[in-house]
Amino acid sequence: DAGVTQSPTHLIKTRGQQVTLRCSPKSGHDTVSWYQQALGQGPQFIFQYYEEEERQRGNFPDRFSGHQFPNYSSELNVNALLLGDSALYLCASSFSRTGETQYFGPGTRLLVL
Amino acid sequence: AQSVTQPDIHITVSEGASLELRCNYSYGATPYLFWYVQSPGQGLQLLLKYFSGDTLVQGIKGFEAEFKRSQSSFNLRKPSVHWSDAAEYFCAVGARASKIIFGSGTRLSIRP
Repeated sequence: DAGVTQSPTHLIKTRGQQVTLRCSPKSGHDTVSWYQQALGQGPQFIFQYYEEEERQRGNFPDRFSGHQFPNYSSELNVNALLLGDSALYLCASSFSRTGETQYFGPGTRLLVL
Repeated sequence: AQSVTQPDIHITVSEGASLELRCNYSYGATPYLFWYVQSPGQGLQLLLKYFSGDTLVQGIKGFEAEFKRSQSSFNLRKPSVHWSDAAEYFCAVGARASKIIFGSGTRLSIRP
C-alpha cells in the first residue's frame, strides 16, 4: 500500500518564477491538504482540497493556488516566487468519511534564489 | 484563538532515560490531538492520536501520551529512549476534516 508521494523531492527556482508541486494521496484517501514548513518551524496550513474544490484555506496570499484532479491527486502552484517561499512543502491526505488523521508525504524542498 | 505551545525548543536526554515532551493547546471545540515525529529532511510520521475515550493513548515506537482536559495538555512520554529517537517532535491539534495546527516543535537529542 503506497503512502503519500510527492514530486519533485527538491527544486531550485529564482525570484519571480512560478513552480508546480505534485502530490498523490494514500490509497483510499480523497482529501489532500498542503502545508508549508519553513526552516526551524512547524508546518503551516496552506489549503485543503476535497471533491476537486478548495474547502479550507490558511493565511496565504493568492499567489498560492491549487488543484485536485478526479483521481484525487493534487498540485500546488506558487506564482511570483519570493525568497521567503523557500521551505519544505508537505502534502497530507485523509479520508473524508473519517477525516481525523492526516498522513504526510516526504515533502518537496523548494529553494528560491 | 487556536494554538499549540511546545515550551521546550531543545531537550537532551541520556540513552535509556525516560522522556516527557510538553504540549499545551488552545482550541474552541473538543480537539483531536496528535504527535508527529520528523527526522532531518523527512516528512512527518504520526506517532499517536487522541480523539475521545481513554485519556492515555499508546502509539508506535513505545510512545504514549496523556490528555488532560483541565490543563489543556497532551504530553508525550517514553519510559526509555533509544538513540534512534533523536528527531523533531511536533504536537498538533485539529478537528474532523479540517486543518491541523502545529506547535513549533521540540528537538530531541540523545546523549550516549
